Amino acid sequence: DAGVIQSPRHEVTEMGQEVTLRCKPISGHDYLFWYRQTMMRGLELLIYFNNNVPIDDSGMPEDRFSAKMPNASFSTLKIQPSEPRDSAVYFCASGTRDRGLNEQFFGPGTRLTVL
Amino acid sequence: ELKVEQNPLFLSMQEGKNYTIYCNYSTTSDRLYWYRQDPGKSLESLFVLLSNGAVKQEGRLMASLDTKARLSTLHITAAVHDLSATYFCAVDANFGNEKLTFGTGTRLTIIP
Repeated sequence: DAGVIQSPRHEVTEMGQEVTLRCKPISGHDYLFWYRQTMMRGLELLIYFNNNVPIDDSGMPEDRFSAKMPNASFSTLKIQPSEPRDSAVYFCASGTRDRGLNEQFFGPGTRLTVL
Repeated sequence: ELKVEQNPLFLSMQEGKNYTIYCNYSTTSDRLYWYRQDPGKSLESLFVLLSNGAVKQEGRLMASLDTKARLSTLHITAAVHDLSATYFCAVDANFGNEKLTFGTGTRLTIIP
């Protein structure tokens, strides 16, 4: 398996622009997680899905952020409008609860810079 | 709210030395995960600890879990430079959800 795939790997945009981050989870995984990592705040869970349904979006910072999972193999995280404080590395992770495990496998991340 | 604390936050050590990273958490759990992150890279799963007294070893790294003390340790034996990375512990809180709560990370630097 190719692992979790994210695109783009790097994104530089200007304040006010819309940004869309994409994720393809590992085939067969039924959980998908979006995280944000910054030096100041560490690793934060933004939202997660189970079987394409959003379960907990309490970590989404504000209405400018939205996430969708239209099918089992694709998810997007959108920021509209973007602000400089959104600059961070965004990770997507996938996993499954087989055998009671909750091991999550992380993608390579998208480094977002908002100017 | 589950809290996960790691210490130290930063650790600089010489090659060949031994050291331990500690992960304390605030609620009952018998499932704990250790991850490694190299600079500019993603998080890589290292160990999965699923019960009290669980011990896992891989090369110079050994992880253990004491659920009664709510403590996990990551022990480094005879450190080598390529172990330099940030190490995270993450706790599964058994709340019936699938969240992992991550510690703040320990940035380990091995000095030749």
